[in-house]
Amino acid sequence: SAVISQKPSRDICQRGTSLTIQCQVDSQVTMMFWYRQQPGQSLTLIATANQGSEATYESGFVIDKFPISRPNLTFSTLTVSNMSPEDSSIYLCSVEDGNPGNTIYFGEGSWLTVV
Amino acid sequence: GQNIDQPTEMTATEGAIVQINCTYQTSGFNGLFWYQQHAGEAPTFLSYNVLDGLEEKGRFSSFLSRSKGYSYLLLKELQMKDSASYLCAVPSGTYKYIFGTGTRLKVLA
Repeated sequence: SAVISQKPSRDICQRGTSLTIQCQVDSQVTMMFWYRQQPGQSLTLIATANQGSEATYESGFVIDKFPISRPNLTFSTLTVSNMSPEDSSIYLCSVEDGNPGNTIYFGEGSWLTVV
Repeated sequence: GQNIDQPTEMTATEGAIVQINCTYQTSGFNGLFWYQQHAGEAPTFLSYNVLDGLEEKGRFSSFLSRSKGYSYLLLKELQMKDSASYLCAVPSGTYKYIFGTGTRLKVLA
């Protein structure tokens, strides 16, 4: 399966600031996905990032709040803008590997705490 | 609608067997996944079922019944390190997946 690296792994952020999370994959992939997992909750898809086009956002998530870049087939960034305590969450980058099925594999996650 | 249900929490004893159930409702079906997530870590892939029946993989097995919209994860010879959340997930459209809220398993000595 693909090896997915994320950074930062953890950060404490001030309210009103923005933070960019980086995701690097060890192989070329068409689609990359960004998930959020709020405390005690399950995973929610934020957006799908396809190289060469704008990201596709899920209901409840907007580009102004979560701008995404996908400059090439192995890298993506997610920015959490104008953070509030409600944005305290785990942010996970993931890819589909197709082995087996369309299995999703996750990066190590970025734990953000907004104070 | 599309939905996944799992028990919130389970407790079992080291060395025992535990079964974690998952029921799902989807408009189509393209497989079911189980993930393990230790506290403070990202989910890791455990198993994938697309046909009815039991898939065995060491101490972990996963069962699927498509007609009943039901799956379970069976953990044998429980170890303390198996204390984690177990997430059930199904694809929901192209490149989309629905995840259950997870079952938090506590293994007691």
